[in-house]
Amino acid sequence: DQQVKQNSPSLSVQEGRISILNCDYTNSMFDYFLWYKKYPAEGPTFLISISSIKDKNEDGRFTVFLNKSAKHLSLHIVPSQPGDSAVYFCAASAVGGTYKYIFGTGTRLKVLA
Amino acid sequence: SAVISQKPSRDICQRGTSLTIQCQVDSQVTMMFWYRQQPGQSLTLIATANQGSEATYESGFVIDKFPISRPNLTFSTLTVSNMSPEDSSIYLCSAGLTRNTEAFFGQGTRLTVV
Repeated sequence: DQQVKQNSPSLSVQEGRISILNCDYTNSMFDYFLWYKKYPAEGPTFLISISSIKDKNEDGRFTVFLNKSAKHLSLHIVPSQPGDSAVYFCAASAVGGTYKYIFGTGTRLKVLA
Repeated sequence: SAVISQKPSRDICQRGTSLTIQCQVDSQVTMMFWYRQQPGQSLTLIATANQGSEATYESGFVIDKFPISRPNLTFSTLTVSNMSPEDSSIYLCSAGLTRNTEAFFGQGTRLTVV
């Protein structure tokens, strides 16, 4: 049962354009969402997060949008740079319990120079 | 933020043996987790390491196969026991300072079982 899904395994974008990575979730108890970037042979690096009380959070070139009714979030990267090429994971956590982070399946972003 | 050091960074092990992976955080953290990333797959949560008590395992993972220790707020170990080639994976330690904050990751341990 994959509670967090990223339906696009890969995405290619030209340098300078916008990259949009999407993530869907099924558990309505999730209340905190995160995006991570992962390079080969490294651990995931935190990028940006959003609480369920917000619908948008911005940090420099990165913006995360949350649509709770659709159980959907997206990460926008503007402008995209070749150094952004990596695998991006969305993650979610739920109120209560052990407060664990559940990760999506990942999207490999390639920014073309 | 928290800096997480994980050892070893990689290892090649014989089937039937066990490997213990160490995770050291540079500050006291509330939560520590262990994940596995199989080739081409997502990060799968193995267990939450609880300080001073037994870890909380996810469905499909058991203590006999993946014993975990967490003696204090900055250190944890994961043992992969009686290894088989199917255990070949990247094992990642993660730590969170508080609820509703980001989790930080170590660089991972790449395990190959032959």
